[in-house]
Amino acid sequence: AQSVTQLDSHVSVSEGTPVLLRCNYSSSYSPSLFWYVQHPNKGLQLLLKYTSAATLVKGINGFEAEFKKSETSFHLTKPSAHMSDAAEYFCVVSEGFQKLVFGTGTRLLVSP
Amino acid sequence: NAGVMQNPRHLVRRRGQEARLRCSPMKGHSHVYWYRQLPEEGLKFMVYLQKENIIDESGMPKERFSAEFPKEGPSILRIQQVVRGDSAAYFCASSLPAGGTEAFFGQGTRLTVV
Repeated sequence: AQSVTQLDSHVSVSEGTPVLLRCNYSSSYSPSLFWYVQHPNKGLQLLLKYTSAATLVKGINGFEAEFKKSETSFHLTKPSAHMSDAAEYFCVVSEGFQKLVFGTGTRLLVSP
Repeated sequence: NAGVMQNPRHLVRRRGQEARLRCSPMKGHSHVYWYRQLPEEGLKFMVYLQKENIIDESGMPKERFSAEFPKEGPSILRIQQVVRGDSAAYFCASSLPAGGTEAFFGQGTRLTVV
């Protein structure tokens, strides 16, 4: 079975500083990996996805993630945090037929 | 093209009542998925449906929970005889049939059992 581990439950950054949200995955074959964002009391929005094309994936709102097979990682980064980035972020692996397996989430806090 | 529509957004039920959650997929999407998010947790897969068929229900509790996606109309997640532990946010997602395509999520239904 596939799984993802989000290494930090909370990450705090100052506005304008870099963001790093860590994710490791476990998969028996070439996975599809996603990052979703959830703002309070809202639905989930897809930030970016990796589906075995380029290993560096660029998403919306300046986010990007790099697929590293040797490290089984798919960390999410952004060069400069904005206040509006404060939200819950989920790393997700697709387990066939688009059955998505979610990590437990990382809450990003952005201070002025 | 409206997104995935879920209703109601908030639902309060007393213990023992039935809860019906509705999901209208995006136009042209024939695949629907239901997920449950318990407080402070990630989403957990419940069931995957195509029109008139249940493809994968490995995440559905064995009792009291059922789902359908009829030929016409929205997908329905039904919870009978609700208990406090059913309180959660229930998210629906839909996608095109092709593998590897994006699943679009609705805003969820927050069920509170009192």
